[in-house]
Amino acid sequence: AQSVAQPEDQVNVAEGNPLTVKCTYSVSGNPYLFWYVQYPNRGLQFLLKYITGDNLVKGSYGFEAEFNKSQTSFHLKKPSALVSDSALYFCAVRDTNDYKLSFGAGTTVTVRA
Amino acid sequence: EAGVAQSPRYKIIEKRQSVAFWCNPISGHATLYWYQQILGQGPKLLIQFQNNGVVDDSQLPKDRFSAERLKGVDSTLKIQPAKLEDSAVYLCASSLVGLTSNTEAFFGQGTRLTVV
Repeated sequence: AQSVAQPEDQVNVAEGNPLTVKCTYSVSGNPYLFWYVQYPNRGLQFLLKYITGDNLVKGSYGFEAEFNKSQTSFHLKKPSALVSDSALYFCAVRDTNDYKLSFGAGTTVTVRA
Repeated sequence: EAGVAQSPRYKIIEKRQSVAFWCNPISGHATLYWYQQILGQGPKLLIQFQNNGVVDDSQLPKDRFSAERLKGVDSTLKIQPAKLEDSAVYLCASSLVGLTSNTEAFFGQGTRLTVV
């Protein structure tokens, strides 16, 4: 069985500062890892994914994520946050030995002007 | 390309009533998911279809929830009878290939259900 943990309920940063949203996972096989963003009254939007290869993955809107197998982490990062990045962010994992896509509880990001 | 369509967007019902949600996935997507998202929590998988077959419904409360995907395209999720704790957003998603695939899922805007 797989699981995902997002240890921070909320992350607050000033505009222009770097943004990091943390995610750790547990799988029995190898992971496929995903980040989604959710704006108010909207569905989840796909940001990026890690499948294999380069540990640094680049995605939409200037976001990137770093896969760390030894720490079983997949933290989302953005070098310079914008006020418009304020939203709810979800990490998700699929185990290559399974098929279910499991989500973390989410992290609310607030970027202040 | 058209996205995942869901209807209705909002629904308010009294407890013990029944309700149905509809989902039309992206054309050609074999896998369809229904998730329940309770306020303040991450989405919880209720049921996953591969074409018109169920591959996982382990977290579906089968005494009151049912879902079907006729002809491997559209899907409906039904709750009968509804309870107060069913108040949530019901998200439908689809992906090109399922099972152990590495393809991402695309989500609809969801149906916000309020049970009073």
